[in-house]
Amino acid sequence: DQQVKQNSPSLSVQEGRISILNCDYTNSMFDYFLWYKKYPAEGPTFLISISSIKDKNEDGRFTVFLNKSAKHLSLHIVPSQPGDSAVYFCAASSGGTSYGKLTFGQGTILTVHP
Amino acid sequence: NAGVTQTPKFQVLKTGQSMTLQCAQDMNHNSMYWYRQDPGMGLRLIYYSASEGTTDKGEVPNGYNVSRLNKREFSLRLESAAPSQTSVYFCASSEGGFTSYNEQFFGPGTRLTVL
Repeated sequence: DQQVKQNSPSLSVQEGRISILNCDYTNSMFDYFLWYKKYPAEGPTFLISISSIKDKNEDGRFTVFLNKSAKHLSLHIVPSQPGDSAVYFCAASSGGTSYGKLTFGQGTILTVHP
Repeated sequence: NAGVTQTPKFQVLKTGQSMTLQCAQDMNHNSMYWYRQDPGMGLRLIYYSASEGTTDKGEVPNGYNVSRLNKREFSLRLESAAPSQTSVYFCASSEGGFTSYNEQFFGPGTRLTVL
């Protein structure tokens, strides 16, 4: 039972345009959400996070939106750059004493074309 | 400052062989984790150690054992490897315990193939 789902295996965008990566979750106990970025042959690196008390969090070109009623979050990258080409994972945590236990989605491969 | 290091980078085993994956962090983090990544499955938590001296099962612990040797090191052991354990294994660490969120820092991974 996949509690965190990224239904788009891949996304291709032109440099300078917006990239929108989507993530859905089913567990209503999740209250902290994160995006990680992964390059080939490297471990994932933290990108941005959002707590369930917020509906938006921005960090430079990256913005994460959370829609709790729809159990949906999205990552917007504006403008997209070729160096953003990577696999993006969303992850969720149920907080409390389980903040460290992350449930990951399957990942979306983003390709940004020059 | 190397962050999280993992050895080996690659390993090929025959079914039934045993091996230990090593992980070390130099960030003085309290919590450490082992994940596996399989195609189409994302990363799944195998075991974690919230603090030195404690270990707990994650989502997919069967067939694995762990040892938190000290604050720096957290090893993952496969006692009798099976083809289903072919995967990429990531170790991670984070600063705090489990009562607030702390960013997890990942190692580069170990690619394991079991024939």
